[in-house]
Amino acid sequence: EAGVTQFPSHSVIEKGQTVTLRCDPISGHDNLYWYRRVMGKEIKFLLHFVKESKQDESGMPNNRFLAERTGGTYSTLKVQPAELEDSGVYFCASSRLQGVGVEAFFGQGTRLTVV
Amino acid sequence: AQSVTQLGSHVSVSEGALVLLRCNYSSSVPPYLFWYVQYPNQGLQLLLKYTTGATLVKGINGFEAEFKKSETSFHLTKPSAHMSDAAEYFCAVSGTGTASKLTFGTGTRLQVTL
Repeated sequence: EAGVTQFPSHSVIEKGQTVTLRCDPISGHDNLYWYRRVMGKEIKFLLHFVKESKQDESGMPNNRFLAERTGGTYSTLKVQPAELEDSGVYFCASSRLQGVGVEAFFGQGTRLTVV
Repeated sequence: AQSVTQLGSHVSVSEGALVLLRCNYSSSVPPYLFWYVQYPNQGLQLLLKYTTGATLVKGINGFEAEFKKSETSFHLTKPSAHMSDAAEYFCAVSGTGTASKLTFGTGTRLQVTL
């Protein structure tokens, strides 16, 4: 069974540009999460999809971030326009079920550098 | 609100020595606690989790953690470190209600020396 896959693994863009990150969850996992780790700090929750619906987007930092999951399969996270403080590692995770105590499976992350 | 504190951003141990990574949590509801590990160039991998029941939880690769409610702690231990244990370790607490989202600590990087 393939794990959670994220593309690209690294991205370097200039301030003001647009970047789109992609996440392919484990097949059959309705729940998909985005997290971000900035500058060696804690990994922070961004949002949670159940199929194609946003269940919780309380962690999205501002309206420069747009997450989509059309068709309930893969998800994209677009940053437009990118700012220096958006640099960090973006993790995607998926799970079959939702609820407290459910194990989420993580991808290897996308390292985004905004210069 | 929930929070996790990991004491020590870097821990160094000798091969064969005890590994102890500290995690304290704050939660207004009974917590569900996790330890994840990130090896170089890999994603986060679940080591172990505590939900309910036995407070001593055994995980993969010889790691275990003990939930201590009175101390609000969930420290990770391994009796004998191996070079392959070098990685970054994250403690996390699960959300409330039906939420699955995790609140992570800042991580502890474990170095294992000869």
